[in-house]
Amino acid sequence: DTGVSQDPRHKITKRGQNVTFRCDPISEHNRLYWYRQTLGQGPEFLTYFQNEAQLEKSRLLSDRFSAERPKGSFSTLEIQRTEQGDSAMYLCASSLVGGRNTQYFGPGTRLTVL
Amino acid sequence: GQQVMQIPQYQHVQEGEDFTTYCNSSTTLSNIQWYKQRPGGHPVFLIQLVKSGEVKKQKRLTFQFGEAKKNSSLHITATQTTDVGTYFCAGPLAGSYQLTFGKGTKLSVIP
Repeated sequence: DTGVSQDPRHKITKRGQNVTFRCDPISEHNRLYWYRQTLGQGPEFLTYFQNEAQLEKSRLLSDRFSAERPKGSFSTLEIQRTEQGDSAMYLCASSLVGGRNTQYFGPGTRLTVL
Repeated sequence: GQQVMQIPQYQHVQEGEDFTTYCNSSTTLSNIQWYKQRPGGHPVFLIQLVKSGEVKKQKRLTFQFGEAKKNSSLHITATQTTDVGTYFCAGPLAGSYQLTFGKGTKLSVIP
């Protein structure tokens, strides 16, 4: 099964450290999305890419958050100078251009900031 | 901005009882998608509705899209313990591919 994969699955870090998460989308999918989910809430959109172009990034939570998809395949989400409020599940999803934007989610990376 | 609301937030049912969750958008949607998230898991796509008044069935699950394309419902007949999880509806922001999710309805099934 070549679904969306994310790495690492869990990350514990100290406040002030930088963290980077990786997402590998379904191979033929050219749209890739990042969401954040906190306890008891639905996923909250952060940013998305079509191929290597980042088409929406205004929802990134602050300038400490950045995302890249340099070759239009995998993507990374970086959080600089982490804060305790950044603790959440970070979800990646992918979809196919030309489809109906059905988004398939990866297992997520759970971030805990101490 | 666009808001998607779901009720109820929680639902506890006896196994074998029916369950319904309702989703309402502040704006007209081009389509609506439903996801299920098991405890400790990630959202898993269930279905997408596109047409006004559309009804789709998946075994014991029935999905409806309202005539005005602003609301939707998911009905589960004769719940089973395997139905446990949180059910989310999500709609695309107009002119974008980003999805706005509701807060979900958490279903508990008592055996």
